[in-house]
Amino acid sequence: DAKTTQPNSMESNEEEPVHLPCNHSTISGTDYIHWYRQLPSQGPEYVIHGLTSNVNNRMASLAIAEDRKSSTLILHRATLRDAAVYYCILRDTYNTDKLIFGTGTRLQVFP
Amino acid sequence: GAGVSQSPRYKVAKRGQDVALRCDPISGHVSLFWYQQALGQGPEFLTYFQNEAQLDKSGLPSDRFFAERPEGSVSTLKIQRTQQEDSAVYLCASSTGTGDYEQYFGPGTRLTVT
Repeated sequence: DAKTTQPNSMESNEEEPVHLPCNHSTISGTDYIHWYRQLPSQGPEYVIHGLTSNVNNRMASLAIAEDRKSSTLILHRATLRDAAVYYCILRDTYNTDKLIFGTGTRLQVFP
Repeated sequence: GAGVSQSPRYKVAKRGQDVALRCDPISGHVSLFWYQQALGQGPEFLTYFQNEAQLDKSGLPSDRFFAERPEGSVSTLKIQRTQQEDSAVYLCASSTGTGDYEQYFGPGTRLTVT
């Protein structure tokens, strides 16, 4: 399974934008890039996913590099509720349904 | 609507005891997954069902772990003769079917083996 590399932790102040990077240099053509986040004492929740083009939804934006070897999850205005562990996951939808989590990035948000 | 629910939320077992963890997926969801999450780590895949069929059990760490979903809805993860290394949060997730991009996770069951 293709691997992803994320920083262990990041910090942000409330209401500032946050850019969470992910490297996936061995990504294959059929791998989708998924982001999940896990708030304290909860199960993970889906944030966003994409294949090649940048994606936006009500939670976040996903910027994908042209060569697809890296991506960035963008939270436009961080809130205290966004403090969580963010996981970048590659998922070959046509071969498997399971998610392979790494250790993720722990985001701290300060008031 | 109702999300994925798991019970019990917390379970303390003495080493050697058997435990059963229950997962109620979102109604109508075909796919069901079990993950194990050790402290400070990301979740790790255990097993996957499509309806009542267990299609992948490659992540089950030993033959002490057994999962079933007899009627294609509720699932039970059973751990026999629990060991201290089994202490973890056990997460259940469901999705609408093969290829669906979003898995919906329950809150997990925290198992502590003493």
